[in-house]
Amino acid sequence: DIQMTQSPSSLSTSVGDRVTITCQASQDIGNHLNWYQQKPGKAPKFLIYDASNLETGVPSRFSGSGSGTDFTFTISSLQPEDIATYYCQQYDNLPITFGQGTRLEIK
Amino acid sequence: EVQLLESGGGLVQPGGSLRLSCTASGFTFSSYAMSWVRQTPGKGLEWVSAISGNGGSTYYADSVKGRFTISRDKSKNTLYLQINSLRAEDTAVYFCARDYSNNWPRGLDYWGQGTLVTVSS
Repeated sequence: DIQMTQSPSSLSTSVGDRVTITCQASQDIGNHLNWYQQKPGKAPKFLIYDASNLETGVPSRFSGSGSGTDFTFTISSLQPEDIATYYCQQYDNLPITFGQGTRLEIK
Repeated sequence: EVQLLESGGGLVQPGGSLRLSCTASGFTFSSYAMSWVRQTPGKGLEWVSAISGNGGSTYYADSVKGRFTISRDKSKNTLYLQINSLRAEDTAVYFCARDYSNNWPRGLDYWGQGTLVTVSS
């Protein structure tokens, strides 16, 4: 199975901050990577597909980049509604695997 | 509007069985692959199984292979997960999700609200 390692596991942030989360795959997955946002008690929300493509309706402050084994997810200016846990997910090989999540907290 | 509504969760004893259902609306059901993903309380996400749009291909995580069976009924716009030989480690919220692909699982663009399965004696 392809292991997805996110860092950090949690991040204390402030409104307006630039937030960066990294996701590393245990092998080359090309651009076969997606990002999700999950708020407590809710289902995940699809944000970014194929590493860098923003899903329709997702605010442009969210972005993704990377290919191969190293990927980055960025929120350019954190808003209060962005407080959530974020997951990366690879689909290069089955089983689909997710990172362990990065929880954002307000300072 | 795409909607996915799961049902069928509950408390079951170890070794027992359940059938989860996911009723879909707001899109052409047979045009999309579908997946089940589970989440242990307080933990991360684990992909469990997927099925192609036409139902001809199914995929499973090793942890559930041989115990779980995914299926779909086009006439009822419903996805199913038959779960047998339940173990304590199967306790989780089970989400159904639509894949943006028709065949090979890729990305999950719509999710249901989840149904809780608790395995305990």
